[in-house]
Amino acid sequence: QVQLQESGSRLVKPSQTLSLTCAVSGGSISTGGHSWNWIRQPPGKGLEWIGYVYHNGGTFYNPSLESRVTISIDRSKNQFSLNLTSVTAADTGVYFCASTGVYGGNSVFDNWGQGILVTVSS
Amino acid sequence: YDLAQPPSVSVSPGQTASITCTGHKLGDKYVSWFQQKPGQSPVLVTYQDSKRPSGIPERFSGSNSGNTGTLTISGAQPMDEADYYCQAWDNSVVIFGGGTKLTVL
Repeated sequence: QVQLQESGSRLVKPSQTLSLTCAVSGGSISTGGHSWNWIRQPPGKGLEWIGYVYHNGGTFYNPSLESRVTISIDRSKNQFSLNLTSVTAADTGVYFCASTGVYGGNSVFDNWGQGILVTVSS
Repeated sequence: YDLAQPPSVSVSPGQTASITCTGHKLGDKYVSWFQQKPGQSPVLVTYQDSKRPSGIPERFSGSNSGNTGTLTISGAQPMDEADYYCQAWDNSVVIFGGGTKLTVL
């Protein structure tokens, strides 16, 4: 069973860049068929998908965040990362990394990290 | 593409709760449902409309047709009180519903 663990800066100043890493254990990030995702949740609100990276480095981003987001993969360290630039207080929330597996040809979110609370404040 | 969920649903213990998720031609897509308790990560409870991962109780079931996907909890238990989110793919983009708070009392 794949396990995911987020790490990174928990306090970021406005206008700076939020950077997080998700370490993958129990499986290889290089295995095809999986997408490696970032999802966030503002305090008291719902889930918002940020984007994902495939094992081959291909990416897809939420159109509403695309201009500020970069998700990358590091196969040597079996991890993937999120960079979100020009942050504001609206970017405060719990950030989850999650992976999809293939079930009957369909991608399903079957693994989630525990989440990391990131606060944007001066 | 948007998925609409009712903000809240209430059910008495032992009764059946239904949570809906509405989107344009949603029945043409596969829907997953997640349960999230306070301070915890979401947990997959159904996927591909009606399939249940191992370890999820049989009282959780799903369906999807037309514009509406539905999560049904038959014989709801106090431990089922949580937020529930539907999720679908629109081309290569992930969409989550706004979430429904299920109260069991």
